[in-house]
Amino acid sequence: EPEVTQTPSHQVTQMGQEVILRCVPISNHLYFYWYRQILGQKVEFLVSFYNNEISEKSEIFDDQFSVERPDGSNFTLKIRSTKLEDSAMYFCASSAGLTDTQYFGPGTRLTVL
Amino acid sequence: AQSVTQLDSQVPVFEEAPVELRCNYSSSVSVYLFWYVQYPNQGLQLLLKYLSGSTLVESINGFEAEFNKSQTSFHLRKPSVHISDTDEYFCAVRGSSGDKLTFGTGTRLAVRP
Repeated sequence: EPEVTQTPSHQVTQMGQEVILRCVPISNHLYFYWYRQILGQKVEFLVSFYNNEISEKSEIFDDQFSVERPDGSNFTLKIRSTKLEDSAMYFCASSAGLTDTQYFGPGTRLTVL
Repeated sequence: AQSVTQLDSQVPVFEEAPVELRCNYSSSVSVYLFWYVQYPNQGLQLLLKYLSGSTLVESINGFEAEFNKSQTSFHLRKPSVHISDTDEYFCAVRGSSGDKLTFGTGTRLAVRP
């Protein structure tokens, strides 16, 4: 069964450094998402992406964040200058259509020191 | 905008007993409803969903949920739980014309022998 994959599984970085989290969505999916879950809290929506542009973003997704689909398979989330409060599990998801089921990857645990 | 309330952060239950995990939502538009399960160190796996049609939906592993529009609820039930059902369960809602998922805070189902 096709699945969403994410790398790395765990990323440790120093405050102020840039990180790029990578995702490979399911191959025939057209809609891509990033969510995050701070330890012990709910899963929160960050951004949705379709047709090479952001379709919706939350208030969390400020100028420090960006997303990109650099080729036909990868979908990346970049945090330009990480803060301590960016420490969280980041989940990528994809869906075939706007109202179709979103399938989640296993997540990348980001630890900012 | 939508919101989801999962009042129970943890539900302890004995093996083979029935269980209900509660989920209430609020929304000004029509919604789709989902239950996801989060396995340890893994992403979110879709358990079941309500899009339209029959208000009672079932999963392949014995869980069911009923959409109750008048009570704005989508409670998850299982008549007889197993030890292996011990996990974190998240209720989520999405507007019928939107794409982002809004999650509840999760309920940890703890099944005891």
